[in-house]
Amino acid sequence: EAGVAQSPRYKIIEKRQSVAFWCNPISGHATLYWYQQILGQGPKLLIQFQNNGVVDDSQLPKDRFSAERLKGVDSTLKIQPAKLEDSAVYLCASSLDLRASRYGYTFGSGTRLTVV
Amino acid sequence: GENVEQHPSTLSVQEGDSAVIKCTYSDSASNYFPWYKQELGKRPQLIIDIRSNVGEKKDQRIAVTLNKTAKHFSLHITETQPEDSAVYFCAASIFGDMRFGAGTRLTVKP
Repeated sequence: EAGVAQSPRYKIIEKRQSVAFWCNPISGHATLYWYQQILGQGPKLLIQFQNNGVVDDSQLPKDRFSAERLKGVDSTLKIQPAKLEDSAVYLCASSLDLRASRYGYTFGSGTRLTVV
Repeated sequence: GENVEQHPSTLSVQEGDSAVIKCTYSDSASNYFPWYKQELGKRPQLIIDIRSNVGEKKDQRIAVTLNKTAKHFSLHITETQPEDSAVYFCAASIFGDMRFGAGTRLTVKP
């Protein structure tokens, strides 16, 4: 079974620039999550999709972050404009459905963003 | 929302000793409690999980216990080995909305 694919693996940008990350979940997984993991901290949920609908985006800084999952499969996360404090690893995860308690999460390898 | 606290933040043990990491959660509706192991520069990997209708679960050298009344759960690693060295995260989830603890850096000294 192919895992969760993410790209790019690394990205370095200057503050105030824009950046986008891409995620392709495991085939058939209806639920997709974006997490932000700052160095030395646990992953923080940014947004959760069920198919192409947003379930929870309460911790997404909506003034600069946006995410979409138009066809209910791939997803993109965008930051515009980036700030120094956005430097982190952005992890995508997927599960069969909302009730992850049944099936658990599978994480992608992440995108390491450095804002200089 | 759910808040998960994890202790200790760092833990150093001798090879062969046991290691215990503890977490507390705030939302009594949480029903799923996974533990992840993250090696440097790699993705978090699920190592064991427990659901709210179970008090204890064991998988070889790893065990997890859950006390729903006190809202805390713990990870126990016995006969630790150097390859157990990593950062361990606990998490609590309600319908997929998973909140993570801050992590415990475990070092196993040969």
